[in-house]
Amino acid sequence: EIVLTQSPGTLSLSPGERATLSCRASQSVTSNYLAWYQQKPGQTPRLLIYGASSRATGIPDRFSGSGSGTDFTLTISRLEPEDFAVYYCQQYVTSPRALTFGGGTKVEIK
Amino acid sequence: QLQLRESGPGLVKASETLSLTCTVSGGSISSSTHYWGWIRQPPGKGLEWIGTIFYTGTTFYSPSLKSRVTISVVRSINQLSLKLSSVTAADTAVYYCARLDYYDYYMDVWGKGTAVTVSS
Repeated sequence: EIVLTQSPGTLSLSPGERATLSCRASQSVTSNYLAWYQQKPGQTPRLLIYGASSRATGIPDRFSGSGSGTDFTLTISRLEPEDFAVYYCQQYVTSPRALTFGGGTKVEIK
Repeated sequence: QLQLRESGPGLVKASETLSLTCTVSGGSISSSTHYWGWIRQPPGKGLEWIGTIFYTGTTFYSPSLKSRVTISVVRSINQLSLKLSSVTAADTAVYYCARLDYYDYYMDVWGKGTAVTVSS
């Protein structure tokens, strides 16, 4: 079973700053199968990035995803007030078929 | 616009079976380009994938929950269901249903979730 480790656990930044979130897999992951989600308190998770680097419909271009193999990154180029939230990565493996979420990174206002 | 809505008891007794339903509206559960899944989130914790189903009935489940989980679809009424047996307090969570892309397995549409508490 692949384990996704997200770091840091909490990121304290100010609006306008750049946020870099890491998602590391215990084994190599097919890039097509790596996604990122945003969850605000009391809300449903929202898809941000799929295929490691493709933005979902309606997602601003300040959000970008990159990486391959075991190391993936979500970057928010300039934090807006509405970006302070928890972010999760998620992957799928083919054998045995399974999905996994990372533990999440909380981006909080400094 | 596709919408998902979870429903079911908010309180389940320990050792009993949790049963939830997800109703799909604004689209068909018989889509050949999507899977459907259940995800849960214990209070104050992260997301946990439970299992996934295709409209034909093909399923795959989380290894840690596989022995207790059954997911099924009823195509005629555009619903999927979740049954989790022998529940304990550790199964207390918000339960979400979601649509997954068939090819890349990302979750692009989510229900609002339903909170379930397991009582002793």
